[in-house]
Amino acid sequence: DIKMTQSPSTLSASVGDRVTITCRASQSVSSWLAWYQQKPGKAPKLLIYQASNLESGVPSRFSGSGSGTEFTLTISSLQPDDFATYYCQQYNSFSPYTFGQGTKLEIK
Amino acid sequence: EVQLEESGGGLVKPGGSLRLSCTASESTFNTYTFNWVRQAPGKGLEWISSMTSNRQYIHYADSVKGRFTISRDNAKSSLYLQMNSLRVEDTALYYCARDSRRGLDLWGRGTLVTVSS
Repeated sequence: DIKMTQSPSTLSASVGDRVTITCRASQSVSSWLAWYQQKPGKAPKLLIYQASNLESGVPSRFSGSGSGTEFTLTISSLQPDDFATYYCQQYNSFSPYTFGQGTKLEIK
Repeated sequence: EVQLEESGGGLVKPGGSLRLSCTASESTFNTYTFNWVRQAPGKGLEWISSMTSNRQYIHYADSVKGRFTISRDNAKSSLYLQMNSLRVEDTALYYCARDSRRGLDLWGRGTLVTVSS
């Protein structure tokens, strides 16, 4: 199975900061990569699909990039609502789907 | 607004069985692949199973292969997960999630499974 590794595991930042989370795949997933945001007690929410496409309704301060084995999620200017845990997930058709271990974004 | 609702969770002893259900409030259920994803208390997300709309392709995570069985009834807009030989480490909140090929774009609120003696 494809292993997804996120870094960092925890990120402390302030409102207004620009932050980047990295996700690496153990083998190429082409652009079949999604990013999710999860807040405590809530289901995950899809933010980005196919590595760089913004899901409808998601603020434009969120962006994704990458292909193959290395991907990034960037938040251009952190807002109070953005403090949450973020997960990447590969959804290559011919492999079981797998998530990264998560990145907890905390207020500094 | 389309919604997914899971049910069937509860407390079960190790070695026991449970059947989870997920019902969709949409008539297009039969056009999507659906997945089960779980989250152990305080832990990350773990994808565990998926089934395509026509049941042609089914996948399982190694952690549940041979113990869990996914199924669906398109006429009832429902997805199921039969869980046998349950272990303490299967304790988690179980979500069903719709796969639109844009990733998992719709999630239920989850149903809690607790495996304990």
